[in-house]
Amino acid sequence: NAGVTQTPKFQVLKTGQSMTLQCAQDMNHEYMSWYRQDPGMGLRLIHYSVGAGITDQGEVPNGYNVSRSTTEDFPLRLLSAAPSQTSVYFCASSPRGGGNEKLFFGSGTQLSVL
Amino acid sequence: AQTVTQSQPEMSVQEAETVTLSCTYDTSESDYYLFWYKQPPSRQMILVIRQEAYKQQNATENRFSVNFQKAAKSFSLKISDSQLGDAAMYFCAYRSAGTGNQFYFGTGTSLTVIP
Repeated sequence: NAGVTQTPKFQVLKTGQSMTLQCAQDMNHEYMSWYRQDPGMGLRLIHYSVGAGITDQGEVPNGYNVSRSTTEDFPLRLLSAAPSQTSVYFCASSPRGGGNEKLFFGSGTQLSVL
Repeated sequence: AQTVTQSQPEMSVQEAETVTLSCTYDTSESDYYLFWYKQPPSRQMILVIRQEAYKQQNATENRFSVNFQKAAKSFSLKISDSQLGDAAMYFCAYRSAGTGNQFYFGTGTSLTVIP
């Protein structure tokens, strides 16, 4: 099983550039989410989705857009990258309403914005 | 958003000894789920243990156990017989049982295991 696949693993951007982080899962999970991980700040929720066509903001949504056209895919878009968006990004999925079902994580994307 | 607090940025333990990592959370919900995740240097996120809030019995998984105090909103992780492979960042997480089922994470505790 592939699980949650995130691409790319590493990316360097210049300030003002745009890019899309890709996330796909093959477990038919309704719930998908994006986190950023920064030293001393843990994992902070950026956006999440509880099903195709449904997205909502998390704790730190500014500067990021998402869409969910299919159950499998949940891309994260940076419209105009800023140095403050330098971070490690994780995509994660879970069955919705599964209660104690764990989050399945991708392998992460190390993003540097210069 | 729910708040999850891990007050110990760093902890160390001697190999074969026991260590307890602290976690507290703030919520007005009565039904929720709690998790501990381990993140080794590989950056992979690994589920260590989970607890349902409606269960009074503390969860255990081999050398890992929790002390869940619902009234105090406390969820500590105890690692017994610590091994070198336990060295990692540990994150406490809260999952709402309500709309959205979001997960919220603490800031993490970096555990060092001393040989």
